[in-house]
Amino acid sequence: DTGVSQDPRHKITKRGQNVTFRCDPISEHNRLYWYRQTLGQGPEFLTYFQNEAQLEKSRLLSDRFSAERPKGSFSTLEIQRTEQGDSAMYLCASSTNHYEQYFGPGTRLTVT
Amino acid sequence: KNQVEQSPQSLIILEGKNCTLQCNYTVSPFSNLRWYKQDTGRGPVSLTIMTFSENTKSNGRYTATLDADTKQSSLHITASQLSDSASYICVVSVTNAGKSTFGDGTTLTVKP
Repeated sequence: DTGVSQDPRHKITKRGQNVTFRCDPISEHNRLYWYRQTLGQGPEFLTYFQNEAQLEKSRLLSDRFSAERPKGSFSTLEIQRTEQGDSAMYLCASSTNHYEQYFGPGTRLTVT
Repeated sequence: KNQVEQSPQSLIILEGKNCTLQCNYTVSPFSNLRWYKQDTGRGPVSLTIMTFSENTKSNGRYTATLDADTKQSSLHITASQLSDSASYICVVSVTNAGKSTFGDGTTLTVKP
């Protein structure tokens, strides 16, 4: 257990539905990252927060994806109008610098 | 384009044997290189972190090397154990940026 928690651990949803995932980072970590990982691939960067500010966002993130970190603590990742291609593991990581990122256990999304 | 290539894609070894995993990268400007271990269905866990000036770093039975001139890194696992069965991911970061580039990992299977 790295101290980063994610909820839910698993989510099954029907195509077209909206889903929201939550990440609680290690309390003193000001940086928070979201990644997406499909089977057999390494994690792909989605977005990065420093405190409450979203400083980087991948071009992979379509308009259907949005992330927030309202008080610089927990973060949410929302996917609107889910598609089957959104099925993946969504990983959250936190850190005090860009080097040592601590990953959560991930949320496994299955879109049927 | 920043890329991280790992080889082999998969590897099967017998318990107690040693193995070496490779990582080649084209990321620039280089900041640091990290190796992670990822068990199936779990988030990655950091093994080693190396900056430009470091050419070797050990963590128990894991030893990582870095040649910044040739842009190559290796992860050597000594006296493998069944619990070493996992995916090993190489990650390279550019200077002062939130985004990291992940390799697709090497899947290691240790058999009794």
